Amino acid sequence: AQKITQTQPGMFVQEKEAVTLDCTYDTSDPSYGLFWYKQPSSGEMIFLIYQGSYDQQNATEGRYSLNFQKARKSANLVISASQLGDSAMYFCAMREGRRGGGNKLTFGTGTQLKVEL
Amino acid sequence: KAGVTQTPRYLIKTRGQQVTLSCSPISGHRSVSWYQQTPGQGLQFLFEYFSETQRNKGNFPGRFSGRQFSNSRSEMNVSTLELGDSALYLCASSLSGLSGNTIYFGEGSWLTVV
Repeated sequence: AQKITQTQPGMFVQEKEAVTLDCTYDTSDPSYGLFWYKQPSSGEMIFLIYQGSYDQQNATEGRYSLNFQKARKSANLVISASQLGDSAMYFCAMREGRRGGGNKLTFGTGTQLKVEL
Repeated sequence: KAGVTQTPRYLIKTRGQQVTLSCSPISGHRSVSWYQQTPGQGLQFLFEYFSETQRNKGNFPGRFSGRQFSNSRSEMNVSTLELGDSALYLCASSLSGLSGNTIYFGEGSWLTVV
């Protein structure tokens, strides 16, 4: 069974600093996708970045980058130049490749990020 | 381009009642999936619909059901509500569910059962 582990329940970072949120995963499927989402207190789940298991390059989306280390089964999210608006809960999630497709995501427990002045 | 739209955003129901939540996916998206989020259990997959057919199902009792219409809009229904059904229900849409398709979520429906 697939599993996502986020070991940091809470993180603090100074504004304008970079921060890394950890995510490790476990799956026996060679084809999978890894997602990061941001969830503010309003509840909306905001897509940040995606990495496919066969992607050669680490994914980047603006200030977000994904440090993908396949052999270590880790997919850490790096946020550069943190802003006050980055304060939120962050979830790592995985979709296993399945014949016929499928959108079942397995989520980690999340990391609450607080950006301070 | 409009995002995933969920209605209602907030609702309060009494134990034993039933509730129907609605989700309109991003235009062109044919896959719709539903998740329940609670403080105790975190985010859990309920089910996924693609082209009006249930393609995946999570480990929830039969009181939880869903359907998808020909325009890809989806509804989920919870019958005989229990206090433990109080949660944020999130809907997500994707083009097809194939590897590489990004999954986008809506703002969620906050359900309180009293």
